[in-house]
Amino acid sequence: QQQVKQSPQSLIVQKGGISIINCAYENTAFDYFPWYQQFPGKGPALLIAIRPDVSEKKEGRFTISFNKSAKQFSLHIMDSQPGDSATYFCAARRMDSSYKLIFGSGTRLLVRP
Amino acid sequence: DAGVIQSPRHEVTEMGQEVTLRCKPISGHNSLFWYRQTMMRGLELLIYFNNNVPIDDSGMPEDRFSAKMPNASFSTLKIQPSEPRDSAVYFCASTPEMENTEAFFGQGTRLTVV
Repeated sequence: QQQVKQSPQSLIVQKGGISIINCAYENTAFDYFPWYQQFPGKGPALLIAIRPDVSEKKEGRFTISFNKSAKQFSLHIMDSQPGDSATYFCAARRMDSSYKLIFGSGTRLLVRP
Repeated sequence: DAGVIQSPRHEVTEMGQEVTLRCKPISGHNSLFWYRQTMMRGLELLIYFNNNVPIDDSGMPEDRFSAKMPNASFSTLKIQPSEPRDSAVYFCASTPEMENTEAFFGQGTRLTVV
């Protein structure tokens, strides 16, 4: 119940295309869902996050879609650029007594020029 | 602010040796997290502290691992004795307070145990 399942493991997209990464969770106590971006040799950095009271959040080219009933959420990167090539992690966190941030397994995105 | 500072950036040690990883959280942050990243297991939470007190160490793999936070500006993760399967990148992260939603990660320590 603590797991967050992420797919695909890797993704190759042409420049200008849409990148879509999906995550699913079981624990309904999770109430905060961030996405982190990690470049080689760096630590993960927060990209965008959503709470389950909204179905979508958009920041620039990055959009999170959230389906509470299906317990799924996804990251969409519009007009993907080579600079977006990185590893993306979804995560989930309980905002009650436990503040653990549980990460998905990661998706390695390559955007070809 | 320099962000979360971890040292060393790289560590190569022989099996059986003691290894100490260090972390300086962002000034003013009250919560600190240690993560381990491997290809097989992804990012695993090992332990986290709030106001220098360990809150949850259920992710610490075994007794060979220990972590301390003697003050608000310093934490260590120690492995004694180290084993080849401990090879991974270890990240430290901090947040202003436990309830805060964004975790700021350091650049990590790449540990290789030969």
